[in-house]
Amino acid sequence: EAQVTQNPRYLITVTGKKLTVTCSQNMNHEYMSWYRQDPGLGLRQIYYSMNVEVTDKGDVPEGYKVSRKEKRNFPLILESPSPNQTSLYFCASSSGLQETQYFGPGTRLLVL
Amino acid sequence: SQKIEQNSEALNIQEGKTATLTCNYTNYSPAYLQWYRQDPGRGPVFLLLIRENEKEKRKERLKVTFDTTLKQSLFHITASQPADSATYLCALDTNAGKSTFGDGTTLTVKP
Repeated sequence: EAQVTQNPRYLITVTGKKLTVTCSQNMNHEYMSWYRQDPGLGLRQIYYSMNVEVTDKGDVPEGYKVSRKEKRNFPLILESPSPNQTSLYFCASSSGLQETQYFGPGTRLLVL
Repeated sequence: SQKIEQNSEALNIQEGKTATLTCNYTNYSPAYLQWYRQDPGRGPVFLLLIRENEKEKRKERLKVTFDTTLKQSLFHITASQPADSATYLCALDTNAGKSTFGDGTTLTVKP
């Protein structure tokens, strides 16, 4: 089944403790992206990647890192999480620009 | 700064009527625009994509228009059903990979 998977789905952590949210797609897509969704602020793009080893900042990249060493994986790294990074995070992928973007199920993060 | 506005946070209509959702933008020149459906607690699901040189796209009961002069897209659901109740998001995309979403409009279709 074609899908985007994220792990973990739910995470509670404390300020400053490094964490990684994994994202994997099995559709051989070139384009992948991370978003965060907050009430009243909608979906905001954090980082995106047009292909392996190519990443770019979205609208809200501060406090996040990404890497794209393989086509299928696009992990989101929070080196030192803070409470304002509490949010619902979505990973998405597509075969290219102007193509359907498929979203993962989301990761709900709480930073205490 | 770039801004995307979707009409009223909530839209309530009667079953069978046509729902019309609006997406307005400023300070933006998108190459294309997409509409998504999002149900509570789930990721957005793609519905339709329209390019800057296209005026209208249709898919079953869905229709989207794109007016780059007015900087507006309209999304229509005809013969609406209670199952169409969800939040609908518009997203503007450049050809460089950046994607900007509106806040969404929550549609409720009453039987």
